[in-house]
Amino acid sequence: EAGVTQFPSHSVIEKGQTVTLRCDPISGHDNLYWYRRVMGKEIKFLLHFVKESKQDESGMPNNRFLAERTGGTYSTLKVQPAELEDSGVYFCASSQRWGVTEAFFGQGTRLTVV
Amino acid sequence: QKEVEQDPGPLSVPEGAIVSLNCTYSNSAFQYFMWYRQYSRKGPELLMYTYSSGNKEDGRFTAQVDKSSKYISLFIRDSQPSDSATYLCAVRGGSSNTGKLIFGQGTTLQVKP
Repeated sequence: EAGVTQFPSHSVIEKGQTVTLRCDPISGHDNLYWYRRVMGKEIKFLLHFVKESKQDESGMPNNRFLAERTGGTYSTLKVQPAELEDSGVYFCASSQRWGVTEAFFGQGTRLTVV
Repeated sequence: QKEVEQDPGPLSVPEGAIVSLNCTYSNSAFQYFMWYRQYSRKGPELLMYTYSSGNKEDGRFTAQVDKSSKYISLFIRDSQPSDSATYLCAVRGGSSNTGKLIFGQGTTLQVKP
């Protein structure tokens, strides 16, 4: 069984540009989560999808971030325009049920904004 | 004040040592307590979780939760070089519709042969 897959693994962009991160959850997992780790800080929750609906987006930092999950399958996280403080590692996780204890994480996308 | 506090280390121990990793949390509403292990350039991997207070053992790993002091611990017995990784504690509220995990900063562990 394939795990959670994230693309790209690493992205370097200039300030002001747009970047789109993609997450393919484990097949059949209705719950999808985005997290972010900024250097030197803890991993922080961004948002939670149940199928295609946003269940909780309380962690989204500002309106430069847009997450979508069309059709309840893969998800994208777009940052537009990117700022220097957006640099970090973005993790996606998925779980079959509400219980996040069963969540599986992807390897992360390392975003560097220069 | 952070909701979950964890000493980032690094922690270096010789092979075979007993390792103790700890976190404190601030909100008594948290009901689920997790330990994740993260190898370099990989995503977090769930090691163990505990619901409410008590101990849980899995092989060389033991997780403890003391809700009265809001303290969670992970013990690793007979540590191995392959245990070298970052260990992250995480908590979750008891509400069934809250999937949000709150992580500690992570403790970097190195086990030397």
